[in-house]
Amino acid sequence: AQKITQTQPGMFVQEKEAVTLDCTYDTSDPSYGLFWYKQPSSGEMIFLIYQGSYDQQNATEGRYSLNFQKARKSANLVISASQLGDSAMYFCAMREGPSGGSYIPTFGRGTSLIVHP
Amino acid sequence: DTAVSQTPKYLVTQMGNDKSIKCEQNLGHDTMYWYKQDSKKFLKIMFSYNNKELIINETVPNRFSPKSPDKAHLNLHINSLELGDSAVYFCASSQRTSVQETQYFGPGTRLLVL
Repeated sequence: AQKITQTQPGMFVQEKEAVTLDCTYDTSDPSYGLFWYKQPSSGEMIFLIYQGSYDQQNATEGRYSLNFQKARKSANLVISASQLGDSAMYFCAMREGPSGGSYIPTFGRGTSLIVHP
Repeated sequence: DTAVSQTPKYLVTQMGNDKSIKCEQNLGHDTMYWYKQDSKKFLKIMFSYNNKELIINETVPNRFSPKSPDKAHLNLHINSLELGDSAVYFCASSQRTSVQETQYFGPGTRLLVL
């Protein structure tokens, strides 16, 4: 079974609008971390935001926020006020603790976001 | 002052050859990783070293051999290259091996096997 599921292979959004990229995860370990990375067409992997399983509040970093719903095992990325430079692939990732996955990082298959002017 | 660097950036070679990819990080991190990203952008971990010790060794052909001479370097040697090895290989590092440690990635090495 996939540990990280990103159901949207592609998303389109108008510049200046908000967009939500979906991510659901599967783990039985109470301790885990969730990450989002951005990969523009130039190819590098850029860390965006982190959410820990014990964090009480949703993580935010500038225009990025993580909508963490623990009971539903979802960790959606919200990008507010989209910019043309946000066009990229976005990957959700998870690291589980020792009882789940021995800290092995697992990545989803990514969502391609295109921002229209 | 690049945090995680890889050389070479591009590598084009013939089937059957042996090649190496080098990775260095200047972040003072203890843990380093190798990932393979296939043509469909799927990113899969191959190896991880913590303080020069191998801690993650996923199902990878034994033609792939990582070597960590010190904790700032993790090289990947590939023997008898095959067409299916064509991919982008990313090196990454994190402070430690724990659930909250962010990985920082190198720019990637684009390997094409002809």
